Amino acid sequence: GIQVEQSPPDLILQEGANSTLRCNFSDSVNNLQWFHQNPWGQLINLFYIPSGTKQNGRLSATTVATERYSLLYISSSQTTDSGVYFCAANEKLTFGTGTRLTIIP
Amino acid sequence: DAMVIQNPRYQVTQFGKPVTLSCSQTLNHNVMYWYQQKSSQAPKLLFHYYDKDFNNEADTPDNFQSRRPNTSFCFLDIRSPGLGDAAMYLCATSRWDRAYEQYFGPGTRLTVT
Repeated sequence: GIQVEQSPPDLILQEGANSTLRCNFSDSVNNLQWFHQNPWGQLINLFYIPSGTKQNGRLSATTVATERYSLLYISSSQTTDSGVYFCAANEKLTFGTGTRLTIIP
Repeated sequence: DAMVIQNPRYQVTQFGKPVTLSCSQTLNHNVMYWYQQKSSQAPKLLFHYYDKDFNNEADTPDNFQSRRPNTSFCFLDIRSPGLGDAAMYLCATSRWDRAYEQYFGPGTRLTVT
């Protein structure tokens, strides 16, 4: 089956910093999503982005399907951005390995 | 607000004692999913229901069962919990034609003593 790898595994940043999270997938995908899992465990859907670029406030995402990767950008980080970010591929949601983001005040 | 609800949020059970986790939804979605997420790992799909049609993942242990009595409710039964079954259990729903757009509940954290 498809393999989904994320980098970096951990990221610690000062409040206000920008960050880029990467998701690589081993095969072509018909769906790619980004999720944020908050410290209480709730998974929140950020973007459905099989290709192209989308923006939502301080967050944006780009998927280059032909090169099998997706990027999540977070600008002007806030402490509430802390948590684990997962990408997930295809309809059965094969989740990536996750990036744990910690924003320090 | 339409949502996915899981009860209880925290569940403690004893080794070998059957336990049931519940999920309900007000989204009227055809498809309901159960995921297991162990500490510091990604969620892993256990099974899903397309309406009343049950679909088990190949590597889901027999110890895990599910029931869906109606569109709104879905239950996860663990017949004989082991210490290795301690995890967060996440319920999700989707429309049948938008399976990529899943809505997750807050999860139930299961502890096995």
